Amino acid sequence: DGGITQSPKYLFRKEGQNVTLSCEQNLNHDAMYWYRQDPGQGLRLIYYSQIVNDFQKGDIAEGYSVSREKKESFPLTVTSAQKNPTAFYLCASRDTTGELFFGEGSRLTVL
Amino acid sequence: DAKTTQPPSMDCAEGRAANLPCNHSTISGNEYVYWYRQIHSQGPQYIIHGLKNNETNEMASLIITEDRKSSTLILPHATLRDTAVYYCIVRVAGTYKYIFGTGTRLKVLA
Repeated sequence: DGGITQSPKYLFRKEGQNVTLSCEQNLNHDAMYWYRQDPGQGLRLIYYSQIVNDFQKGDIAEGYSVSREKKESFPLTVTSAQKNPTAFYLCASRDTTGELFFGEGSRLTVL
Repeated sequence: DAKTTQPPSMDCAEGRAANLPCNHSTISGNEYVYWYRQIHSQGPQYIIHGLKNNETNEMASLIITEDRKSSTLILPHATLRDTAVYYCIVRVAGTYKYIFGTGTRLKVLA
């Protein structure tokens, strides 16, 4: 089935460590997005990419980095510079009508 | 940036219609309004979208005011499984940024 696959679903990390969250899609969509969600809050945009080898910062990009070397993949690295990394991370892709398709999310906990 | 405003929470009796309002007064003329819902700890699920005309699909109806500054999502016969957070979003004009607000937490009561 076509869709968005995020991994891992749960991740624990020690303070000061970088961690990379995977996002893969087989929907042949050009655009992909990363959002962060904190408890009881809405989604906040971290980074988005409209096409391979191109990406733009969202509203809360500090402490995060991304790459878009392949159409299917848009990994997010949470660096040690991110002060409060514990959150639920959601990846999405967008079709030509503007509809966003979300993965099931990755929950990162910093110990 | 385009912003949407929604009430933080609503209750609805099971079997009744749930009407969820959204204000998007800064929407541009050619931007769609999208509605998603999120059940706890899952990825948001697409419901419906529209530009000017009212829209209906198997899940819901979308009513957009003539000036396009607000819209209402209607779940015609709410069930307990419709309990979720509902987000109304618009794209930021001139970009491909989709900004989510805090949404409306709908609780369907038995």
